[in-house]
Amino acid sequence: AQKITQTQPGMFVQEKEAVTLDCTYDTSDPSYGLFWYKQPSSGEMIFLIYQGSYDQQNATEGRYSLNFQKARKSANLVISASQLGDSAMYFCAMREASYGGSQGNLIFGKGTKLSVKP
Amino acid sequence: DTAVSQTPKYLVTQMGNDKSIKCEQNLGHDTMYWYKQDSKKFLKIMFSYNNKELIINETVPNRFSPKSPDKAHLNLHINSLELGDSAVYFCASSLGGSPYNEQFFGPGTRLTVL
Repeated sequence: AQKITQTQPGMFVQEKEAVTLDCTYDTSDPSYGLFWYKQPSSGEMIFLIYQGSYDQQNATEGRYSLNFQKARKSANLVISASQLGDSAMYFCAMREASYGGSQGNLIFGKGTKLSVKP
Repeated sequence: DTAVSQTPKYLVTQMGNDKSIKCEQNLGHDTMYWYKQDSKKFLKIMFSYNNKELIINETVPNRFSPKSPDKAHLNLHINSLELGDSAVYFCASSLGGSPYNEQFFGPGTRLTVL
Protein backbone atom coordinates (compact mmCIF):
# COMPACT_ATOMS: atom_id res chain seq x y z
CA ALA A 1 0.00 0.00 0.00
CA GLN A 2 1.19 3.48 -0.76
CA LYS A 3 2.20 5.46 2.25
CA ILE A 4 1.74 8.82 0.58
CA THR A 5 -0.98 9.40 -1.99
CA GLN A 6 -1.30 12.46 -4.14
CA THR A 7 -4.35 11.96 -6.31
CA GLN A 8 -3.93 15.00 -8.56
CA PRO A 9 -1.24 14.41 -11.20
CA GLY A 10 -1.83 17.91 -12.56
CA MET A 11 -3.73 21.02 -11.61
CA PHE A 12 -4.40 24.43 -13.06
CA VAL A 13 -5.11 27.58 -11.09
CA GLN A 14 -5.69 31.17 -12.12
CA GLU A 15 -3.14 33.68 -10.93
CA LYS A 16 -4.11 35.30 -7.61
CA GLU A 17 -6.51 32.51 -6.71
CA ALA A 18 -6.00 29.94 -3.95
CA VAL A 19 -5.35 26.29 -4.69
CA THR A 20 -5.37 23.14 -2.58
CA LEU A 21 -3.09 20.21 -3.34
CA ASP A 22 -4.25 16.95 -1.80
CA CYS A 23 -2.16 14.51 0.18
CA THR A 24 -3.22 11.50 2.21
CA TYR A 25 -0.88 9.30 4.17
CA ASP A 26 -0.85 5.92 5.82
CA THR A 27 1.07 5.09 8.96
CA SER A 28 0.60 3.28 12.22
CA ASP A 29 3.43 5.20 13.85
CA PRO A 30 2.12 7.79 16.34
CA SER A 31 5.15 10.01 15.69
CA TYR A 32 5.66 11.32 12.20
CA GLY A 33 6.30 14.48 10.27
CA LEU A 34 4.65 15.64 7.09
CA PHE A 35 6.47 17.83 4.60
CA TRP A 36 5.79 19.60 1.35
CA TYR A 37 8.50 20.27 -1.18
CA LYS A 38 8.39 22.30 -4.37
CA GLN A 39 10.37 21.30 -7.44
CA PRO A 40 10.44 23.98 -10.15
CA SER A 41 11.51 23.20 -13.69
CA SER A 42 15.09 24.03 -12.72
CA GLY A 43 15.05 20.81 -10.69
CA GLU A 44 15.99 21.72 -7.14
CA MET A 45 13.92 20.53 -4.17
CA ILE A 46 12.69 23.41 -2.05
CA PHE A 47 11.28 22.80 1.40
CA LEU A 48 7.98 24.63 1.91
CA ILE A 49 6.25 23.60 5.11
CA TYR A 50 6.19 21.01 7.85
CA GLN A 51 3.58 19.54 10.21
CA GLY A 52 4.34 17.28 13.16
CA SER A 53 1.91 14.57 14.15
CA TYR A 54 1.48 16.07 17.60
CA ASP A 55 1.04 19.64 16.46
CA GLN A 56 -2.31 21.01 17.50
CA GLN A 57 -2.40 23.85 15.02
CA ASN A 58 -2.09 23.80 11.26
CA ALA A 59 1.29 24.95 10.01
CA THR A 60 1.58 28.18 8.05
CA GLU A 61 4.51 29.71 6.17
CA GLY A 62 3.71 32.88 4.30
CA ARG A 63 1.31 32.01 1.47
CA TYR A 64 1.53 28.30 2.31
CA SER A 65 -0.61 26.56 4.85
CA LEU A 66 -1.07 22.93 5.66
CA ASN A 67 -4.59 21.68 6.30
CA PHE A 68 -3.84 18.83 8.70
CA GLN A 69 -6.72 16.46 9.43
CA LYS A 70 -5.21 13.72 11.54
CA ALA A 71 -8.28 11.51 11.80
CA ARG A 72 -8.64 11.51 8.03
CA LYS A 73 -4.86 11.16 7.57
CA SER A 74 -4.71 14.06 5.21
CA ALA A 75 -2.22 16.90 4.93
CA ASN A 76 -3.32 19.15 2.11
CA LEU A 77 -1.22 22.09 1.01
CA VAL A 78 -3.04 25.37 0.46
CA ILE A 79 -1.35 28.07 -1.59
CA SER A 80 -3.06 31.42 -1.34
CA ALA A 81 -2.85 34.16 -3.96
CA SER A 82 -1.11 32.00 -6.58
CA GLN A 83 1.74 33.52 -8.52
CA LEU A 84 3.22 32.52 -11.86
CA GLY A 85 6.35 31.42 -10.03
CA ASP A 86 4.32 28.83 -8.15
CA SER A 87 4.16 26.70 -11.30
CA ALA A 88 6.10 23.58 -10.33
CA MET A 89 5.86 20.00 -9.11
CA TYR A 90 4.77 19.69 -5.50
CA PHE A 91 5.65 16.68 -3.42
CA CYS A 92 4.11 15.58 -0.17
CA ALA A 93 6.40 13.50 2.03
CA MET A 94 6.38 11.78 5.39
CA ARG A 95 9.02 10.79 7.91
CA GLU A 96 8.18 8.19 10.49
CA ALA A 97 9.91 7.85 13.82
CA SER A 98 10.36 4.15 13.80
CA TYR A 99 10.02 2.89 10.24
CA GLY A 100 12.34 -0.08 9.98
CA GLY A 101 15.36 1.73 11.31
CA SER A 102 15.22 4.07 8.38
CA GLN A 103 16.85 6.93 10.24
CA GLY A 104 13.89 8.99 9.20
CA ASN A 105 14.21 9.02 5.45
CA LEU A 106 11.43 10.75 3.55
CA ILE A 107 8.72 8.77 1.81
CA PHE A 108 7.40 10.75 -1.13
CA GLY A 109 4.15 10.88 -3.00
CA LYS A 110 4.16 10.91 -6.79
CA GLY A 111 3.72 14.65 -6.93
CA THR A 112 1.25 17.14 -8.37
CA LYS A 113 2.20 19.40 -11.24
CA LEU A 114 0.72 22.82 -10.64
CA SER A 115 0.35 25.27 -13.50
CA VAL A 116 -0.59 28.86 -12.73
CA LYS A 117 -2.37 30.65 -15.55
CA PRO A 118 -2.00 34.42 -16.05
CA ASP B 1 27.30 29.54 1.48
CA THR B 2 25.44 26.66 -0.17
CA ALA B 3 23.96 24.34 2.43
CA VAL B 4 24.08 21.06 0.49
CA SER B 5 26.16 20.91 -2.64
CA GLN B 6 26.61 18.20 -5.23
CA THR B 7 29.08 17.76 -8.04
CA PRO B 8 28.77 17.35 -10.89
CA LYS B 9 25.39 18.80 -11.81
CA TYR B 10 25.34 16.84 -15.06
CA LEU B 11 27.05 13.55 -15.78
CA VAL B 12 26.97 11.84 -19.16
CA THR B 13 28.78 8.54 -19.46
CA GLN B 14 28.87 5.24 -21.28
CA MET B 15 27.40 1.97 -20.11
CA GLY B 16 29.82 -0.08 -18.08
CA ASN B 17 31.77 2.87 -16.71
CA ASP B 18 32.28 3.62 -13.01
CA LYS B 19 31.40 7.08 -11.74
CA SER B 20 31.10 9.02 -8.51
CA ILE B 21 28.89 11.86 -7.38
CA LYS B 22 30.09 14.01 -4.52
CA CYS B 23 27.95 15.56 -1.81
CA GLU B 24 28.91 17.99 0.91
CA GLN B 25 26.85 19.74 3.55
CA ASN B 26 27.94 22.65 5.74
CA LEU B 27 24.95 22.57 8.07
CA GLY B 28 26.56 20.51 10.79
CA HIS B 29 24.02 17.74 10.21
CA ASP B 30 24.81 14.21 11.24
CA THR B 31 22.57 12.28 8.87
CA MET B 32 22.82 12.24 5.09
CA TYR B 33 20.79 10.61 2.38
CA TRP B 34 20.80 9.72 -1.27
CA TYR B 35 17.55 9.75 -3.23
CA LYS B 36 16.90 8.74 -6.84
CA GLN B 37 14.32 10.55 -8.96
CA ASP B 38 13.26 8.55 -11.98
CA SER B 39 11.93 9.74 -15.32
CA LYS B 40 8.40 9.90 -13.89
CA LYS B 41 9.63 12.23 -11.14
CA PHE B 42 9.20 9.64 -8.42
CA LEU B 43 11.66 10.09 -5.56
CA LYS B 44 12.87 7.10 -3.64
CA ILE B 45 15.38 6.67 -0.86
CA MET B 46 18.57 4.81 -1.71
CA PHE B 47 20.66 5.20 1.43
CA SER B 48 20.54 6.91 4.75
CA TYR B 49 23.72 7.27 6.77
CA ASN B 50 24.99 8.78 9.95
CA ASN B 51 28.33 8.32 11.57
CA LYS B 52 27.12 5.15 13.16
CA GLU B 53 24.95 3.33 10.74
CA LEU B 54 24.31 2.82 7.06
CA ILE B 55 20.80 1.86 6.04
CA ILE B 56 20.49 0.56 2.52
CA ASN B 57 17.23 0.31 0.65
CA GLU B 58 17.02 -3.33 -0.30
CA THR B 59 16.02 -2.51 -3.86
CA VAL B 60 19.28 -0.70 -4.57
CA PRO B 61 21.74 -2.81 -6.61
CA ASN B 62 25.07 -3.44 -4.93
CA ARG B 63 26.72 -1.59 -7.81
CA PHE B 64 25.81 1.51 -5.83
CA SER B 65 27.86 2.24 -2.76
CA PRO B 66 27.94 5.30 -0.49
CA LYS B 67 31.27 6.45 0.85
CA SER B 68 31.60 8.90 3.71
CA PRO B 69 35.09 10.28 4.36
CA ASP B 70 33.70 12.45 7.17
CA LYS B 71 30.47 13.67 8.66
CA ALA B 72 30.04 16.46 6.11
CA HIS B 73 30.42 14.28 3.01
CA LEU B 74 28.53 11.38 1.55
CA ASN B 75 29.63 10.42 -1.93
CA LEU B 76 27.86 8.00 -4.20
CA HIS B 77 29.92 5.56 -6.22
CA ILE B 78 28.35 3.58 -9.04
CA ASN B 79 30.04 0.63 -10.72
CA SER B 80 29.26 -0.82 -14.13
CA LEU B 81 26.68 1.79 -15.07
CA GLU B 82 23.55 0.61 -16.84
CA LEU B 83 21.01 2.43 -18.99
CA GLY B 84 18.45 2.16 -16.20
CA ASP B 85 20.66 4.14 -13.87
CA SER B 86 19.83 7.28 -15.82
CA ALA B 87 18.03 9.52 -13.34
CA VAL B 88 18.46 12.55 -11.14
CA TYR B 89 20.26 11.79 -7.89
CA PHE B 90 19.69 14.01 -4.88
CA CYS B 91 21.77 14.21 -1.77
CA ALA B 92 20.08 15.48 1.40
CA SER B 93 20.95 16.01 5.03
CA SER B 94 19.16 16.46 8.32
CA LEU B 95 19.83 16.74 12.03
CA GLY B 96 19.33 13.20 13.22
CA GLY B 97 16.66 10.82 12.07
CA SER B 98 13.86 12.54 13.93
CA PRO B 99 10.63 12.84 11.98
CA TYR B 100 10.37 16.45 13.13
CA ASN B 101 13.44 17.77 11.36
CA GLU B 102 13.32 18.86 7.76
CA GLN B 103 15.75 17.56 5.19
CA PHE B 104 17.75 19.92 3.05
CA PHE B 105 18.40 18.83 -0.50
CA GLY B 106 21.28 19.40 -2.83
CA PRO B 107 20.65 20.70 -6.35
CA GLY B 108 20.66 17.21 -7.86
CA THR B 109 22.90 15.43 -10.36
CA ARG B 110 21.39 14.44 -13.65
CA LEU B 111 23.04 11.19 -14.73
CA THR B 112 22.65 10.05 -18.32
CA VAL B 113 23.99 6.65 -19.30
CA LEU B 114 24.42 6.11 -23.05
